[in-house]
Amino acid sequence: AQSVTQLGSHVSVSEGALVLLRCNYSSSVPPYLFWYVQYPNQGLQLLLKYTTGATLVKGINGFEAEFKKSETSFHLTKPSAHMSDAAEYFCALEEAAGNKLTFGGGTRVLVKP
Amino acid sequence: NAGVTQTPKFRILKIGQSMTLQCTQDMNHNYMYWYRQDPGMGLKLIYYSVGAGITDKGEVPNGYNVSRSTTEDFPLRLELAAPSQTSVYFCASSESNEQFFGPGTRLTVL
Repeated sequence: AQSVTQLGSHVSVSEGALVLLRCNYSSSVPPYLFWYVQYPNQGLQLLLKYTTGATLVKGINGFEAEFKKSETSFHLTKPSAHMSDAAEYFCALEEAAGNKLTFGGGTRVLVKP
Repeated sequence: NAGVTQTPKFRILKIGQSMTLQCTQDMNHNYMYWYRQDPGMGLKLIYYSVGAGITDKGEVPNGYNVSRSTTEDFPLRLELAAPSQTSVYFCASSESNEQFFGPGTRLTVL
């Protein structure tokens, strides 16, 4: 069965510093991978996704993620944190064309001024 | 487009009561989903549907029922509410690799 592990349930960064959120997965078939963001009291919004092709994926709000098959990882980064990045971030996996997502436990990001 | 809408936003139930969480989407998506979100656990899939008249269980279906009589609507029914069903419930729809989420329903069972 597939699974998604996010390392660190809480991350604190200073404004302007690098944001790095870690995601590792387990899947028996080539996965599709996603990062979603959830702002307080809202639903989830897609940040970026990897399906096939280029392994470095760029998303909205300056975020990007790199699919590394050898490391079974899909870490999310942003070079310079902004106060508006404070939110909870979820990594998710879809076993190719299955249309069902498996989510990690989420990482809450706090941005300090 | 309103996207995915959910009602109610908040609800408090007593143990043993029943209720229906409503979900509607106006994007003509075939796929619809119900998730529950508990702190530190991410989202768990309760039920999903691949089209009108077709539903299937997800990871945590016990205590819930669904129906899909139209493409637009996918209600979630709780028959005998239990404290373990206290959670935030999200409905989502998709067509190709991107799920669109509603704003959620926060349910408390006391």
